[in-house]
Amino acid sequence: DADVTQTPRNRITKTGKRIMLECSQTKGHDRMYWYRQDPGLGLRLIYYSFDVKDINKGEISDGYSVSRQAQAKFSLSLESAIPNQTALYFCATSDFPKGQGGYTFGSGTRLTVV
Amino acid sequence: GENVEQHPSTLSVQEGDSAVIKCTYSDSASNYFPWYKQELGKRPQLIIDIRSNVGEKKDQRIAVTLNKTAKHFSLHITETQPEDSAVYFCAASEGSARQLTFGSGTQLTVLP
Repeated sequence: DADVTQTPRNRITKTGKRIMLECSQTKGHDRMYWYRQDPGLGLRLIYYSFDVKDINKGEISDGYSVSRQAQAKFSLSLESAIPNQTALYFCATSDFPKGQGGYTFGSGTRLTVV
Repeated sequence: GENVEQHPSTLSVQEGDSAVIKCTYSDSASNYFPWYKQELGKRPQLIIDIRSNVGEKKDQRIAVTLNKTAKHFSLHITETQPEDSAVYFCAASEGSARQLTFGSGTQLTVLP
């Protein structure tokens, strides 16, 4: 089945380290997103991309960067990790404009910064 | 930008009763309103969505209603079952942008 895959599933890293979270999809969708989930805060948008040449900042992009290596791959980097970046990170794709715009989420990456 | 508020943050109901979760949005240009269910340790999954040209949509035991004038929409779950226990998120997006702004989530617990 077409899906959205995130690696790693879990990661513990030290303050100040650079870390990359990877996302790949077989859905054939052009639009990809990175969200961060914190308890009581819902899902907040970090970055999004409508195609390989189109990268946009979201609500909370400070401290993060992204790379869209191909239509199917969208990576999130933490340049210098800090403890308040400890969270659950989700990649998502959207079927818009062919579809209504509902997201398909990846399985998530739980990141802990110590 | 869009702001979505969701209430309540926690909701407990007896099995078989109904559950209602409410969301309000700020951007009158928003025209797409999906709901996601996230079971413990899993990814959010789309359960139902509605566009602004429709006032109500049903799918078996779940329904969503939209009031564009008041800028609020609600999720209704009837005949709740233990497997309905999860965190539910509402979201809104506008026009061609289609990036979703999410509410803060509702933890629904269905008591046997």
